[in-house]
Amino acid sequence: DAKTTQPTSMDCAEGRAANLPCNHSTISGNEYVYWYRQIHSQGPQYIIHGLKNNETNEMASLIITEDRKSSTLILPHATLRDTAVYYCIVRVSNTGNQFYFGTGTSLTVIP
Amino acid sequence: GAVVSQHPSWVICKSGTSVKIECRSLDFQATTMFWYRQFPKQSLMLMATSNEGSKATYEQGVEKDKFLINHASLTLSTLTVTSAHPEDSSFYICSASWDAEAFFGQGTRLTVV
Repeated sequence: DAKTTQPTSMDCAEGRAANLPCNHSTISGNEYVYWYRQIHSQGPQYIIHGLKNNETNEMASLIITEDRKSSTLILPHATLRDTAVYYCIVRVSNTGNQFYFGTGTSLTVIP
Repeated sequence: GAVVSQHPSWVICKSGTSVKIECRSLDFQATTMFWYRQFPKQSLMLMATSNEGSKATYEQGVEKDKFLINHASLTLSTLTVTSAHPEDSSFYICSASWDAEAFFGQGTRLTVV
């Protein structure tokens, strides 16, 4: 699976959009971009995933660049409960494949 | 979405004893489950892949005789930490994949004293 690079930490004001970047310059054509988050002392929570088109769900939006070498997770209106570590993972979408986690971005939402 | 449940949520044991952690997929069948370990302020590290009806596959550097994995049914995988020592104290998390997503348990905090 391709390697990802994320900033170590970010702050965001409550109510504002949080934009979390991820670089995955070695991504292969059949690898998807997944985002998970982990709130302190809990298991990771699925947020969103995509292949090449932008995706949106009730939690977030995923913007993938045309060359697919980077992506941005957008939380449109950050709340204090969005404070967590956010992981960007690229992998082939296959139910038998494991996830390898990088260091992630620690997002702190500030009141 | 699918639900994966771990038990117990936390456990304290004495050095030298063994501890079993259960991971259940509650509303789907999982032929493959995964076990992770997470030390404080670090990311999740994949330990092993648990395969229903066959031997687990361990990541490099993980002792298979110390971390025994059993996947006896399509909804249950167990991780047994044998002869636990204080350095085994960690947060253990399991996951199972369904419909291209991975669903994670809530984790088990193991403290060895």
